[in-house]
Amino acid sequence: AAGVIQSPRHLIKEKRETATLKCYPIPRHDTVYWYQQGPGQDPQFLISFYEKMQSDKGSIPDRFSAQQFSDYHSELNMSSLELGDSALYFCASSERQAGGSPLHFGNGTRLTVT
Amino acid sequence: AQSVSQHNHHVILSEAASLELGCNYSYGGTVNLFWYVQYPGQHLQLLLKYFSGDPLVKGIKGFEAEFIKSKFSFNLRKPSVQWSDTAEYFCAVNEAWAGGTSYGKLTFGQGTILTVHP
Repeated sequence: AAGVIQSPRHLIKEKRETATLKCYPIPRHDTVYWYQQGPGQDPQFLISFYEKMQSDKGSIPDRFSAQQFSDYHSELNMSSLELGDSALYFCASSERQAGGSPLHFGNGTRLTVT
Repeated sequence: AQSVSQHNHHVILSEAASLELGCNYSYGGTVNLFWYVQYPGQHLQLLLKYFSGDPLVKGIKGFEAEFIKSKFSFNLRKPSVQWSDTAEYFCAVNEAWAGGTSYGKLTFGQGTILTVHP
């Protein structure tokens, strides 16, 4: 079965550079969620999109932005990278329904900022 | 705001031992409860979930969890662990009746790394 695809798997950037992470949801899933998991920490919700519109916002820095495109894939854009941005970023997708289908997570993108 | 606390950061067991991982949550309202597992190098996978009804929930791979409302707990159990259960386990919650896209806005615990020795 198709899963959530994230690219790239690994990314190394220097401070103050920019990075773009991509997430391709499971077909027919219309909602995408982004999470950040720092080293040894629990996943923290960043932002979510439904039908190309931002639906919820969590602890996402102003330096980050995201969007969902017409094919439902989503991109997380990160600018002015800081060392503390080094983390595993993973996205999840679902079909929008109350208390419905569980989230399907991608394998994540491991970002290292040097 | 919700918060989730997992009691143990790292648990080490031998095969066939019984497992119980603690999870407590803090929230003034009603929550849905989840346990996710993350095998090394893989994505988070849902083990089981509780929305309502029977507080004893059975999940995949022989895992079960019991919701005790009075204790705000949702502990994960398995009678006999296997080497293949070595992974990190996350307890998570969201607001009950979190309709639409809020359903995916989970609050995770810190995770418990389980190491099972053959």
